Amino acid sequence: NAGVTQTPKFRILKIGQSMTLQCTQDMNHNYMYWYRQDPGMGLKLIYYSVGAGITDKGEVPNGYNVSRSTTEDFPLRLELAAPSQTSVYFCASSYPTNRGQPQHFGDGTRLSIL
Amino acid sequence: AQTVTQSQPEMSVQEAETVTLSCTYDTSESDYYLFWYKQPPSRQMILVIRQEAYKQQNATENRFSVNFQKAAKSFSLKISDSQLGDAAMYFCAYERSNFGNEKLTFGTGTRLTIIP
Repeated sequence: NAGVTQTPKFRILKIGQSMTLQCTQDMNHNYMYWYRQDPGMGLKLIYYSVGAGITDKGEVPNGYNVSRSTTEDFPLRLELAAPSQTSVYFCASSYPTNRGQPQHFGDGTRLSIL
Repeated sequence: AQTVTQSQPEMSVQEAETVTLSCTYDTSESDYYLFWYKQPPSRQMILVIRQEAYKQQNATENRFSVNFQKAAKSFSLKISDSQLGDAAMYFCAYERSNFGNEKLTFGTGTRLTIIP
C-alpha cells in the first residue's frame, strides 16, 4: 500500500522558474493538504482540498496554486519561484469525518530556489 | 486563531529513561483533537498519539502517553523506556472538531536526543 506519494524528492530551481510538485494518494481519501516546513519550524498549511474540484487557501498561499481534478491527485504549482519558497513541502491526506482522523503524510519534497 | 506552543526547542534523555515533552495551545473551542507527530531524520511525519478533547482519559500507545489538562490547555507527551529509535523532532498539533475544516495547526517542534 503506497499511501501518499510525492515527486520529486529533491529539486533545485532558479529564481523565476516554475514547477509542479506532484502528490497522489491511493487510500481514497477525500481531504488533501499541502504544507511547507521551513528550517526549525513546524508545518504551515498552504492549500487544502475537501474533494475533487474544491480547493481553499490555508495560512500561507501566496505564490502557489493548486488544482484537484481527481480524488487521487493534488498537484502544487509554483509560479515565478522566489528564494523565500525554499522549504520542504509535505502533502497529506485524510478521511473526511469530524472524529479527528489523523492525516497521512508523504515523504516530502526538498525544494531550493537559487 | 488557534496557536500551539512548544517551549522546549531541544531535549535529551538517557536511553531507558523517561522524558516529557511540553505543549500548550490556545483555543476558544470546547471540542477538538490533539496530536503528537514524530519526524525522524528520514523526514517522514509519523503519528505517535492522538487525544480527543471530550475524553478525560489520557491516551496511551505502548511507551507513549499524554498528560492532557484541558482547563490549562496543556498536552504533554511522556516517553517511557526511551530507545535510540525515539530520536527525532516531535511536533504537537491541534485540530478543530468541525466537519469540513479539519486543518492542523502545528507547534515549532522539540528535537529529542537519546544518549546511549
